[in-house]
Amino acid sequence: AQKVTQAQTEISVVEKEDVTLDCVYETRDTTYYLFWYKQPPSGELVFLIRRNSFDEQNEISGRYSWNFQKSTSSFNFTITASQVVDSAVYFCALIENSGYSTLTFGKGTMLLVSP
Amino acid sequence: GAGVSQSPSNKVTEKGKDVELRCDPISGHTALYWYRQSLGQGLEFLIYFQGNSAPDKSGLPSDRFSAERTGGSVSTLTIQRTQQEDSAVYLCASSSSGQGARELFFGEGSRLTVL
Repeated sequence: AQKVTQAQTEISVVEKEDVTLDCVYETRDTTYYLFWYKQPPSGELVFLIRRNSFDEQNEISGRYSWNFQKSTSSFNFTITASQVVDSAVYFCALIENSGYSTLTFGKGTMLLVSP
Repeated sequence: GAGVSQSPSNKVTEKGKDVELRCDPISGHTALYWYRQSLGQGLEFLIYFQGNSAPDKSGLPSDRFSAERTGGSVSTLTIQRTQQEDSAVYLCASSSSGQGARELFFGEGSRLTVL
């Protein structure tokens, strides 16, 4: 069975601080995909990144970076120099590659960036 | 349309009434998913469609919940004899394939309030 744990329910930072959102996952499959989605106050989930289990290379996109470590089953997300517009709920998710596996989400981390 | 469209965006109903929630996926997307987001509960998978068939209905919480998809496009989620615990945001997502590599595109959700 697949499971995603986001231990941080809510994080508050001041603008320009760096912040890391943790994600730990469980799966028995050797092939799987990890995702991060952002849910701003408008409600729509916005895709941020997809990573397959064979690619452990870290990725950077502007102020966003992701650290994938299979040894610790973690896929952490860091926002550098946070901005007020980063305030949202962030979801980590996992899908296995076998059969009709569906996307399993963590419970989300609410990030509040204050000016 | 350009994105996943859901209607109504907000629905308030009385306990015991039936409700229908509609999802219009991105044109050409064969896979369609329904999720439920309750306060503090993260995203809960309900049902997955590949074309018009539903290979995975495992997430439907009770027999009061049903869903159908016609023409490989629009889907309707029906909740009969609504209860207060059904109050949540119901999110629909679509993807170009049912395989795990594809990202899901989400609508803005239908917020259901059962009084």
